[in-house]
Amino acid sequence: DIQMTQSPSSLPASLGDRVTITCRASQDIGNYLRWFQQKPGKSPRLMIYGATNLAAGVPSRFSGSRSGSDYSLTINSLESEDMAIYYCLQHNEYPLTFGSGTKLEIK
Amino acid sequence: QVQLKESGPGLVQPSQTLSLTCTVSGFSLTSYNVHWVRQPPGKGLEWMGRMRYNGDTSYNSALKSRLSISRDTSKNQVFLKMNSLQTDDTGTYYCTRDANAWGQGASVTVSS
Repeated sequence: DIQMTQSPSSLPASLGDRVTITCRASQDIGNYLRWFQQKPGKSPRLMIYGATNLAAGVPSRFSGSRSGSDYSLTINSLESEDMAIYYCLQHNEYPLTFGSGTKLEIK
Repeated sequence: QVQLKESGPGLVQPSQTLSLTCTVSGFSLTSYNVHWVRQPPGKGLEWMGRMRYNGDTSYNSALKSRLSISRDTSKNQVFLKMNSLQTDDTGTYYCTRDANAWGQGASVTVSS
């Protein structure tokens, strides 16, 4: 199975900060990488697909990038509504595997 | 409008079988894949399995011996059955269309 190593597990940040979350894939997954945002008691929300593409309705302060086997989610100018847990997901091959999650919280 | 909704019993006894239904609208099960994902309380997301648009299934190897996913296209429903439930199967169970659209989740507690 492909392992997705996500870091950090917790990310304290201030409003207006620029933050980056990273997932490293244990095998080649191409650009079959998605990022999700999950708020308490809610279903996951797709934020980024194809590693770099913004999903519909997602603010432009969110962006995705790839460097080799490292995939990153960056949020520019953090807003209070961005406080949530973020997960990556590889869907290059089965079984699909998620990263362990990053909890973004106010410092 | 694409919608998915999970339904099933909120409480299941240990060693019993969990049966969940995902009822979809706004798309055809013969055109899109539907996956099941679960989340233990306070923990991360785990992919369980998938019903492909053509009726093929794939399962998480860790659950494969206990898990079955099926569908009724005439009723726009996908079913999950998992046997031999234990307390660590407690959590929220989601169905999702290709991880784009998600249901609200069904909370399942395994307890006597």
